Amino acid sequence: AQTVTQSQPEMSVQEAETVTLSCTYDTSESDYYLFWYKQPPSRQMILVIRQEAYKQQNATENRFSVNFQKAAKSFSLKISDSQLGDAAMYFCAYSGLVRDYKLSFGAGTTVTVRA
Amino acid sequence: GAVVSQHPSRVICKSGTSVKIECRSLDFQATTMFWYRQFPKQSLMLMATSNEGSKATYEQGVEKDKFLINHASLTLSTLTVTSAHPEDSSFYICSARTTSGSLYEQYFGPGTRLTVT
Repeated sequence: AQTVTQSQPEMSVQEAETVTLSCTYDTSESDYYLFWYKQPPSRQMILVIRQEAYKQQNATENRFSVNFQKAAKSFSLKISDSQLGDAAMYFCAYSGLVRDYKLSFGAGTTVTVRA
Repeated sequence: GAVVSQHPSRVICKSGTSVKIECRSLDFQATTMFWYRQFPKQSLMLMATSNEGSKATYEQGVEKDKFLINHASLTLSTLTVTSAHPEDSSFYICSARTTSGSLYEQYFGPGTRLTVT
C-alpha cells in the first residue's frame, strides 16, 4: 500500500502570513493523483487542491498552492495570506489509478492561525 | 453539485445493539462508495469499499461480520455496526465516487458520530 507521510503534527501561523505543510509519499506507480483536504472543527472533509502526477505545473487555487516534486515524491501545500478560517486539520492524500481510486491519507497537520 | 449526505449525524446506542448509518449521493450516481473511521485528532482509516450491486471489499483487519455494508443502489450505501461495543464508538465518514467526470475524485459526507454506551 502507498504510504503518505506528514511530518508536522502541528503548525502555527500569524494571520496574513504564509505557512507551508509538508507531505511525502511512497509509490511505484508512474501516474497518480495527490490531494490536500481540509477538515475544520465541523469535521466535513473539504477538498483544497489536487494535482495530477502527469502534470508538471503546480496546481494553484486562490491562496493555496502546491510544490509538487515528482522525483522526490514530495507534495507540499502553501497557504498564503492565512485567514482565521484556514484553521483546521489538513490531510495529504494519494490515489492511484487502480484499486477503485482508493485514497491513502497522511496523519494530518493541525494548523492554528493566530490573530 | 456532488453532495453526499449521511444519516444520522449522531447516534447513541446501547452495547450489544446494532446501528445503521446511511450514506446518500444526492445529485449524482456513485458507482463506488467508501467507508472510513476516524478517531479524535487522527487520520481517516479506510474500512471498506462498496460497489453498487456487489459485495463490499474490506480492508485488512476490519471485521466484515461486524461492519456490514450494503450498496443497494447507485445513490445509497449503508453501514451497519452489529452488536456494537464501546470500542466501536468513533466518527464514521462515507465518500462517493462519481460514474462520470472526475473519476478519481471522492465527495465526502459530513460524518456520523457513534457513541456506544
